[in-house]
Amino acid sequence: ETGVTQSPTHLIKTRGQQVTLRCSSQSGHNTVSWYQQALGQGPQFIFQYYREEENGRGNFPPRFSGLQFPNYSSELNVNALELDDSALYLCASSLGGRTGRNTEAFFGQGTRLTVV
Amino acid sequence: RKEVEQDPGPFNVPEGATVAFNCTYSNSASQSFFWYRQDCRKEPKLLMSVYSSGNEDGRFTAQLNRASQYISLLIRDSKLSDSATYLCVVNRGYGGATNKLIFGTGTLLAVQP
Repeated sequence: ETGVTQSPTHLIKTRGQQVTLRCSSQSGHNTVSWYQQALGQGPQFIFQYYREEENGRGNFPPRFSGLQFPNYSSELNVNALELDDSALYLCASSLGGRTGRNTEAFFGQGTRLTVV
Repeated sequence: RKEVEQDPGPFNVPEGATVAFNCTYSNSASQSFFWYRQDCRKEPKLLMSVYSSGNEDGRFTAQLNRASQYISLLIRDSKLSDSATYLCVVNRGYGGATNKLIFGTGTLLAVQP
């Protein structure tokens, strides 16, 4: 497979709660991007982390936040969950550098979050 | 208007048919282009990159027209195993860690026996 693993695979939360999703990037990759995929839609870019710093953010509110650790694994945190946050959350890892383009992005299998 | 637009389908075709998917993008600063495949309840996987000169991988042919901001994918001799959602993807950034992928809604293909 891709070598990108996400946990948990499924999660049910109540509106207003907080959730943390985890992503372990492929060995040698230093960049992790997070995407939200609602039912029937394509993935939407949330944000990207490169060498432990946020590097680019999509149109998501501040209650979506993240971290990247020295081993390049990453977390996505969502506070004050809303019903519309129910979606498949995907992380993708790639190798980026200061010059040139990133390598192909490999996706994890995703975390399916249901907010009730 | 979405930055990447594609027909959501579904496309129902018999085995052996040729099927074409089209996609348009609105940001002329987009740098690189891809088709991804996503099976039901699975993660997207890169099918192929798309170049202006056109590129082919077996039964799959992709084409990019930068002037028209148009991307296409042609699948010849469709197989049952081609049934999936095909996502048109644009990479808006390049250099450093600006690998931001913009996805279309996806086009569902169902190949019938």
